[in-house]
Amino acid sequence: DAKTTQPTSMDCAEGRAANLPCNHSTISGNEYVYWYRQIHSQGPQYIIHGLKNNETNEMASLIITEDRKSSTLILPHATLRDTAVYYCIVRVSPNDYKLSFGAGTTVTVRA
Amino acid sequence: DAGVTQSPTHLIKTRGQHVTLRCSPISGHKSVSWYQQVLGQGPQFIFQYYEKEERGRGNFPDRFSARQFPNYSSELNVNALLLGDSALYLCASSLEARGGSLTQYFGPGTRLTVL
Repeated sequence: DAKTTQPTSMDCAEGRAANLPCNHSTISGNEYVYWYRQIHSQGPQYIIHGLKNNETNEMASLIITEDRKSSTLILPHATLRDTAVYYCIVRVSPNDYKLSFGAGTTVTVRA
Repeated sequence: DAGVTQSPTHLIKTRGQHVTLRCSPISGHKSVSWYQQVLGQGPQFIFQYYEKEERGRGNFPDRFSARQFPNYSSELNVNALLLGDSALYLCASSLEARGGSLTQYFGPGTRLTVL
């Protein structure tokens, strides 16, 4: 699996956009970028995933650079409930059967 | 629709005992994966099962075993419990077993404490 690098922590003001970076410089052409988040003591929650095109859903947007070596998860209007650990994971298709979690980014949304 | 469910929510055991954790996947999902998350770390992959067969195994000792039933629910068994087995045990389900685009959805986890 390609390894990912994320900042250890970041703060965000409530109501503002939160931009979470992730570096995956060794990503291969068939590897997907996944984002999950984990609110304290709960199971990880799926947010979004993409291969090379930008993606948007009701929770967030995923921006993947053209060379695919980095991506940014955007929470458009952060709320206090978005405080969580955010994991960026790359996953091979079609043979990868597991998610390899790193340490993630601890995001704290402040009022 | 119901998400992934796990039971029990919390469990306290003593060293040397064994434990069975249970997971019911999202309706229609045929694959179940188990992860262990110790305090302060990200989840670590233990097993994946698909159609009752083990399809993947992480770097865990043989004290850990699992199985999947015809209704796609699953059990994780841990024998000879050690203090280091204290963790949040997570179950995730997906439609199929492999494929980068096949999303895994997690349950709330079972918090195991070994004394």
